[in-house]
Amino acid sequence: QKEVEQDPGPLSVPEGAIVSLNCTYSNSAFQYFMWYRQYSRKGPELLMYTYSSGNKEDGRFTAQVDKSSKYISLFIRDSQPSDSATYLCAMRHAGGTSYGKLTFGQGTILTVHP
Amino acid sequence: DVKVTQSSRYLVKRTGEKVFLECVQDMDHENMFWYRQDPGLGLRLIYFSYDVKMKEKGDIPEGYSVSREKKERFSLILESASTNQTSMYLCASSFGPWGEQYFGPGTRLTVT
Repeated sequence: QKEVEQDPGPLSVPEGAIVSLNCTYSNSAFQYFMWYRQYSRKGPELLMYTYSSGNKEDGRFTAQVDKSSKYISLFIRDSQPSDSATYLCAMRHAGGTSYGKLTFGQGTILTVHP
Repeated sequence: DVKVTQSSRYLVKRTGEKVFLECVQDMDHENMFWYRQDPGLGLRLIYFSYDVKMKEKGDIPEGYSVSREKKERFSLILESASTNQTSMYLCASSFGPWGEQYFGPGTRLTVT
């Protein structure tokens, strides 16, 4: 079983829809949670970063963490064609000798059509 | 502006060849990372380095080695390329182990 599971999709939605992207994880040592966005033929870029359980909002994006259920989500409101990309969840331990090593989900391919 | 560059966007090599993938960052970051990205598997860490001449194995180091002679440059070496090393290779860097990782555009390597 992978430490981080993410539905690869693909997910296709109409413009303006609310998008929900999810990851589950099995390692309770993960304390920091990230969402990366990767456009075609580009490297991933950090979109959201959270530590505690609860919600964090940034414009149209909301990251949600539920540590008790080992479940994280990214919501995109009023989705736009420019949101079409692969979304990767990533997580890491709080410290120790892991040197900031990230463990990634498989990535979800999202297409927002006009 | 933050920049991580990789020497090639596309590379085609033959089985058994020695392959060098180069990564350069201009942000004076201590940490550098090499990942490979495959469909359905996400990003997997091959090696990382937290200082010049220092390296640590990631999750899938077999068949790879790395070199970091200068702070800004981190090289991934495939000693004898094999077809199962056909993949997208991504380099990243961060300021310290806990900082945000900045990624390069990737090198798509095909081994025939």
